[in-house]
Amino acid sequence: QQQVKQSPQSLIVQKGGISIINCAYENTAFDYFPWYQQFPGKGPALLIAIRPDVSEKKEGRFTISFNKSAKQFSLHIMDSQPGDSATYFCAAWSGNFNKFYFGSGTKLNVKP
Amino acid sequence: GAGVSQSPSNKVTEKGKDVELRCDPISGHTALYWYRQSLGQGLEFLIYFQGNSAPDKSGLPSDRFSAERTGGSVSTLTIQRTQQEDSAVYLCASSKTGQGTGELFFGEGSRLTVL
Repeated sequence: QQQVKQSPQSLIVQKGGISIINCAYENTAFDYFPWYQQFPGKGPALLIAIRPDVSEKKEGRFTISFNKSAKQFSLHIMDSQPGDSATYFCAAWSGNFNKFYFGSGTKLNVKP
Repeated sequence: GAGVSQSPSNKVTEKGKDVELRCDPISGHTALYWYRQSLGQGLEFLIYFQGNSAPDKSGLPSDRFSAERTGGSVSTLTIQRTQQEDSAVYLCASSKTGQGTGELFFGEGSRLTVL
């Protein structure tokens, strides 16, 4: 079954707007939650990551919000720019399984 | 090398042929993963190597798929008797450790097209 569920599948945002991508997980053993950004023709690259002992992590225009009780986390992109147009993947890590589980991806299009 | 290197970048083959995809991880990275990304889809885990431990092959979709990692470095993913549904981008990633604190570094992928 899908361990990490991601939504929406695609997102269109105007330049300067806020992009929000959501993920939910089931397994409480997950203890590391990264977000990856993928441009066309390239491999995914780590954008930002969080551990469940904090509720929020901010790096520049990118923020992860984490709700441990709801088993949900989200990526917020403030002041979205056309250069942010990419596919974003959330992921979760479990030491029990020793591998990353990825969401299905969100294709973000920021319109100028 | 500076990053994870994959070859070939593109491969077109006929149904029923065997293909080999190569991954050269970042030097010193002990963990190596293969993922498959179908058009517009997410990342499907295939196989994981960590040091000298037995690989986690739980994601391989059929016995036509196999992978090896020689000398703890270069890895080869082999697909035998390719089918059209094998068409996808095959991504390799490595990390310094096998734990969640390690960032995954991805290659640019090998795009496989089975005619």
